Amino acid sequence: ETGVTQTPRHLVMGMTNKKSLKCEQHLGHNAMYWYKQSAKKPLELMFVYNFKEQTENNSVPSRFSPECPNSSHLFLHLHTLQPEDSALYLCASSQEGRPYEQYFGPGTRLTVT
Amino acid sequence: QKEVEQDPGPLSVPEGAIVSLNCTYSNSAFQYFMWYRQYSRKGPELLMYTYSSGNKEDGRFTAQVDKSSKYISLFIRDSQPSDSATYLCASSLSSNDYKLSFGAGTTVTVRA
Repeated sequence: ETGVTQTPRHLVMGMTNKKSLKCEQHLGHNAMYWYKQSAKKPLELMFVYNFKEQTENNSVPSRFSPECPNSSHLFLHLHTLQPEDSALYLCASSQEGRPYEQYFGPGTRLTVT
Repeated sequence: QKEVEQDPGPLSVPEGAIVSLNCTYSNSAFQYFMWYRQYSRKGPELLMYTYSSGNKEDGRFTAQVDKSSKYISLFIRDSQPSDSATYLCASSLSSNDYKLSFGAGTTVTVRA
């Protein structure tokens, strides 16, 4: 595996379900990010972890819960989501001193029914 | 007001044409300016970044930043069907700024 991988690629969940998104980076980077991408809207930064410490929480509802057990893995735990949370969720990573150069995974397409 | 505004497109051009993409930004403190390309069903990938004002060229791609007018541009020369994608501009404050401000993206189709 190379680059940034995300699983699952597609997820359909009900509003009462609990699920988790997984991201893994194989680039030796120290920072990892979660973004939400909705049609015709700018990428929304949700969370940033730098050396496993959360440095940004962009006013994200508590139904989204991130976890970063080490600098290579990032999870996004989902519970009691709303239909408006349906979107593409992208994970990215970057190396020390170069946050402008982010490497993105392919994303998880989430549909909340 | 959004920090970065991008022409929404879509843009359709014949193969070989010059593609011109533009963004404006509101925060005069931005120092880094990036262009990302996103193919369908893929994540964005960094094309180019520029620090402060000026031009930067990489093959058929040229990025321009005019800080006096807060204007960011990307030009693609001799466009190819493989350039068909969504192009995202982004800006940030410094080399330690993890919070990039993205435009909404312009979808480009290059017709063979």
